[in-house]
Amino acid sequence: AQTVTQSQPEMSVQEAETVTLSCTYDTSENNYYLFWYKQPPSRQMILVIRQEAYKQQNATENRFSVNFQKAAKSFSLKISDSQLGDTAMYFCAFMKAQGAQKLVFGQGTRLTINP
Amino acid sequence: DAGVIQSPRHEVTEMGQEVTLRCKPISGHDYLFWYRQTMMRGLELLIYFNNNVPIDDSGMPEDRFSAKMPNASFSTLKIQPSEPRDSAVYFCASSLVSTRGAFFGQGTRLTVV
Repeated sequence: AQTVTQSQPEMSVQEAETVTLSCTYDTSENNYYLFWYKQPPSRQMILVIRQEAYKQQNATENRFSVNFQKAAKSFSLKISDSQLGDTAMYFCAFMKAQGAQKLVFGQGTRLTINP
Repeated sequence: DAGVIQSPRHEVTEMGQEVTLRCKPISGHDYLFWYRQTMMRGLELLIYFNNNVPIDDSGMPEDRFSAKMPNASFSTLKIQPSEPRDSAVYFCASSLVSTRGAFFGQGTRLTVV
């Protein structure tokens, strides 16, 4: 079974700073997908970024980028020029490429951006 | 596109009552998921469907929980009888094989008193 671990329950940074959220996972699969979801106080789960394991290039979406280290089974999220609207819970998630499309989530990191 | 639509947004019910949560997935998506979120257990997958067929219900906590997907545009999650420990936020999500990512509804906050 796959597991996802987020070791930082809470983080807090000043507006405009860069912050990195950590995620590690355990799997015997060779091909899979990794995701970061954002859950603001509105409770909506929003897909932030997606990484395909067979691609070596790290995914980027505007101010959001990932550092994907397949051998280390590490998948961190970097938020550049952080904004107040980035305040949210962030969840790392894993999905196998073959078969079931179900997501396995980490415990989440609560990120607060301070003015 | 309207996204995944869940109803109701909030539900408060008394222990022992039947509760039905509803979900309309994104049109064209062939996977539908029901997740439950609690402080203690985080996000748990309860059940998922592919092309309206239940594929994996191993996350359904007990026989009190049941889910149906009578057609591609509608699914229900039913709890009968409800108990206080069922209090949680229930999410419905849908995905298309090619997108490799699930899109979530806004969730239903269920409180059983």
